[in-house]
Amino acid sequence: VQLQESGPGLVKPSGTLSLTCAVTGGSISSENKWIWVRQSPEKGLEFIGEIDHSGLVFYNPSLESRVTMSVDKSNNLFSLRLSSVTAADTAVYFCAREAEAAVRLYYGVDIWGPGTTVTVSS
Amino acid sequence: DILLTQSPATLSLSPGERATLSCRTSRSISSYLVWYQQKTGQPPRLLIHSASHRASGIPARFSGSGSGTDFTLTISSLEPEDFAVYYCQHRNDWITFGQGTRLEIK
Repeated sequence: VQLQESGPGLVKPSGTLSLTCAVTGGSISSENKWIWVRQSPEKGLEFIGEIDHSGLVFYNPSLESRVTMSVDKSNNLFSLRLSSVTAADTAVYFCAREAEAAVRLYYGVDIWGPGTTVTVSS
Repeated sequence: DILLTQSPATLSLSPGERATLSCRTSRSISSYLVWYQQKTGQPPRLLIHSASHRASGIPARFSGSGSGTDFTLTISSLEPEDFAVYYCQHRNDWITFGQGTRLEIK
């Protein structure tokens, strides 16, 4: 399985950041969670949210009011929208797969996209 | 939230030496801890899951230990390609990461 992020590299303040993650070599309908993580020098690695194949979502409470995630099974991809962006949202954005857990085992985030840099600036 | 605190922030060692990295959690998480390695310009790479299980393809010089609130990542004999930033991570209601330990060449 491979993941690839795509979307604008520059977003204006107060605008909406929109990214897509294409899943290849496997099905998005598998029993895994699909997640978005961002990384900045100020905040380090930050979990944004997750979605499963049924569309069930969970968002980081600190971002919840601005985040929307969706899944497109027909095109095997999932998406992120972050509204009302500011300079603080400038970061490298990663899409990734969290492996399905087993009894007493947690496998972590086993597959990552290469990341895409998003800059918020006018 | 469960907080993950990594130490030291920076570790300076030479190739061939042993590296010991620490991750402490604000409350007990059993063995639900993961370690990643990240090199500049790359995404994190999964090293250790469930505190002590090496991920597929990870060399045997990497090992993880601990449970509860104290966890350790050990690299038994550093290779030049091991100098990178290392993160621990836990999943509770959501995923949280430590702030990282930078392993640099002395």
